[in-house]
Amino acid sequence: QSVVTQPPSASGTPGQRVTISCSGSDSNIGSNYVNWYQLVPGTAPNLLIHSTNQRPSGVPDRFSGSKSGTSASLAISGLQSEDEADYHCAAYDDSLHAYVFGTGTRVNVL
Amino acid sequence: QVQLVQSGAEVKKPGASVEITCKTSGYTFTNYFVHWVRQAPGQGPEWMGVIRLSDGNRIQLAQQFQGRVTVTRDTSTSTVYMELSSVRSDDTAIYYCARESPSSYYFDYWGQGTRITVSS
Repeated sequence: QSVVTQPPSASGTPGQRVTISCSGSDSNIGSNYVNWYQLVPGTAPNLLIHSTNQRPSGVPDRFSGSKSGTSASLAISGLQSEDEADYHCAAYDDSLHAYVFGTGTRVNVL
Repeated sequence: QVQLVQSGAEVKKPGASVEITCKTSGYTFTNYFVHWVRQAPGQGPEWMGVIRLSDGNRIQLAQQFQGRVTVTRDTSTSTVYMELSSVRSDDTAIYYCARESPSSYYFDYWGQGTRITVSS
């Protein structure tokens, strides 16, 4: 049972902006960087955002991350059909001494 | 280019052990950490443990896997192994290995995943 929660789904039409929330606690999001991963069934997970708001090379600038207190957000602007995937936030938890992942949000492009 | 290639899918009976291999290439094996993460059907990913190859091969396991997971490495082949013993039905999942640059706290490259099915 994950200690970091996300809405189960989010949707938008092509070109729209979608925001995914990620709610944790003082011991994880509140005190550590947040990372975001894109999971597509049958493929290796993809790092989208690291250190809360940093994009690895090769990730489009349509993806952006932010954090406030014990919550974080991933925004996808200019939504595209290939953005249909599951998105998970993640952070290190100082109390559990473990990395924790969010419950995941399925993004649907209508 | 950096690659982590995992072994193939397996079906195991309850109580058995399973070993998954993660063969790495394209970078200096001993300069990074390799983590293990699994995702059961309908659930979020779950972190299992890490071998810190650049830190004396120090191993840290999530509490729920201590005593049941063994992580080893073969430096000559740049391969990390993860053995899960006494498997049960709720161990059915896709298992991933992933690379971390030391103390970056994020996983920049992942293996393709290994599906493990536990069924009698």
